[in-house]
Amino acid sequence: SAVISQKPSRDICQRGTSLTIQCQVDSQVTMMFWYRQQPGQSLTLIATANQGSEATYESGFVIDKFPISRPNLTFSTLTVSNMSPEDSSIYLCSVGGERAEQYFGPGTRLTVT
Amino acid sequence: AQTVTQSQPEMSVQEAETVTLSCTYDTSESDYYLFWYKQPPSRQMILVIRQEAYKQQNATENRFSVNFQKAAKSFSLKISDSQLGDAAMYFCAYRSTHTGANSKLTFGKGITLSVRP
Repeated sequence: SAVISQKPSRDICQRGTSLTIQCQVDSQVTMMFWYRQQPGQSLTLIATANQGSEATYESGFVIDKFPISRPNLTFSTLTVSNMSPEDSSIYLCSVGGERAEQYFGPGTRLTVT
Repeated sequence: AQTVTQSQPEMSVQEAETVTLSCTYDTSESDYYLFWYKQPPSRQMILVIRQEAYKQQNATENRFSVNFQKAAKSFSLKISDSQLGDAAMYFCAYRSTHTGANSKLTFGKGITLSVRP
């Protein structure tokens, strides 16, 4: 299984500001995924990031609000832009495994005040 | 679109006892993958068990086993000899066999399992 790290682990931000979350994997992977988990809720996919191409966003998520970078096969960033309290969530990145499973990073807990 | 339903928001089990967590799903595909993930308070998502739809045999991983009923679109998780460390939120998830962006996981709402000492 892949070892995934995320930075920061948590942050408290002012509304109207932006935060960039980093996801680092210890091996090269084709697909990386970004999920949002609102308090007490399930995980919802934000977008899929493939190295060398634009990210594919799910319905309800737009690039202007959640720009994603994927500069190489081991790294990705997700930016939460112009934040509001409704953006307070845990943000998780994941990568695909060899048997169709996904492995997750430890998550970034974001609180917007 | 695929949907995953976990209708029980909470369950409780006595330590050393057995508990079954329910999950149903809806899909028009004939081949797919199903998973159970565990999320303890540390919030780290941990893969518990994996099932391929074309395999009739139910998957097992130590104290964890599934009851996969393809026709009924049911995928329940049985935890035997429950331990205090099993207390967590459990998510059922579906994945298509398609690749690329379609390889995303679709999660149920989750169930909070508490273990009584």
